[in-house]
Amino acid sequence: GAGVSQSPRYKVAKRGQDVALRCDPISGHVSLFWYQQALGQGPEFLTYFQNEAQLDKSGLPSDRFFAERPEGSVSTLKIQRTQQEDSAVYLCASSSTLAAAGNIQYFGAGTRLSVL
Amino acid sequence: QKEVEQDPGPLSVPEGAIVSLNCTYSNSAFQYFMWYRQYSRKGPELLMYTYSSGNKEDGRFTAQVDKSSKYISLFIRDSQPSDSATYLCAMTSTDKLIFGTGTRLQVFP
Repeated sequence: GAGVSQSPRYKVAKRGQDVALRCDPISGHVSLFWYQQALGQGPEFLTYFQNEAQLDKSGLPSDRFFAERPEGSVSTLKIQRTQQEDSAVYLCASSSTLAAAGNIQYFGAGTRLSVL
Repeated sequence: QKEVEQDPGPLSVPEGAIVSLNCTYSNSAFQYFMWYRQYSRKGPELLMYTYSSGNKEDGRFTAQVDKSSKYISLFIRDSQPSDSATYLCAMTSTDKLIFGTGTRLQVFP
């Protein structure tokens, strides 16, 4: 079946604009993760869902960042009033297991956000 | 200091060479260790997965974990130009993965 799908692949926003990034996980996967990858860096954890429940949002950098997964499938990461430091690749990953520890996460290709 | 340290490279080797990639970490609670490969403008792809200490081999790839030294390695034998990518180590004890910065590897013909 299809892997993790993210859209759009590229997004250019003017500073102050709101953006919404979409993630379609692998069908049937109950766990969904968002990571932020700055240029030349490894991905950094933002938030984690198990079905529709957001179990960990400790990595969200500010209250301008908001994520949801209302029906336990597709997820949206929203960034309000974008700033230049928000420019990065936003990666989504999904995992099939309910047990959180050691789960294998499968990544999408990411959305590259550029804030001008 | 970051929880996971990884030399960013770049590392340039000739085709056929043995490549050694390494990460050190500070959190002794980490139990699960992974290596991901990331091609330019692509998402990370899982290469190797290891639980606790020990070695694991898969084709040309060998992963080693030494928990006593908080040190993990990935060896690539008979490296190919198609192995040119960024290699990310990752580890966890809970839900979220903690990544190294990634090592850029270039294998030239």
